[in-house]
Amino acid sequence: AQSVTQLDSQVPVFEEAPVELRCNYSSSVSVYLFWYVQYPNQGLQLLLKYLSGSTLVKGINGFEAEFNKSQTSFHLRKPSVHISDTAEYFCAVINTGGFKTIFGAGTRLFVKA
Amino acid sequence: EPEVTQTPSHQVTQMGQEVILRCVPISNHLYFYWYRQILGQKVEFLVSFYNNEISEKSEIFDDQFSVERPDGSNFTLKIRSTKLEDSAMYFCASSGMINTGELFFGEGSRLTVL
Repeated sequence: AQSVTQLDSQVPVFEEAPVELRCNYSSSVSVYLFWYVQYPNQGLQLLLKYLSGSTLVKGINGFEAEFNKSQTSFHLRKPSVHISDTAEYFCAVINTGGFKTIFGAGTRLFVKA
Repeated sequence: EPEVTQTPSHQVTQMGQEVILRCVPISNHLYFYWYRQILGQKVEFLVSFYNNEISEKSEIFDDQFSVERPDGSNFTLKIRSTKLEDSAMYFCASSGMINTGELFFGEGSRLTVL
């Protein structure tokens, strides 16, 4: 079975600073990887996805992530954050051909002025 | 832009009562899911549904839970006899014609069991 570990439960950062949210996964087969964002009292929204091809994927709101198969990681980055990026971020994984997307515990990004 | 819609947004019920949560997935999607999120905790997989049958379910999805797609548009989650620990936000999600695991979520239904 697959699993996801988000290494930081909370990440405080100043506005316009860069940020990296870390995600590691475990699976015995090939996977698809995702990052979702959840704003307060809302559902989850897809930020970006890795299915195949280039290991550097770009998503909405200026976020990007890099798939590293050897390190089984899929870290999320943004070069300059805004106050509006304050939210909960979830890394997720599904085994290719599977029917169960598993979510990490989430990382709360708090952007300070 | 097409979206997943869920009703009710909030339901309060007494322990032991039956609850039905409703979802209208995106119209051309073929894969349907329910997840739940207990306040402040992680998003937990409950069940996936494809071709009118359950594809996979978690240990949480016991005999008290059932899902149905009664009319080709709605997708429902029924909890037969609610327990206090069922209090959570329940999210419906759907996925397109190819199973990549990319999920489109609704806004959620908050269930409070008293």
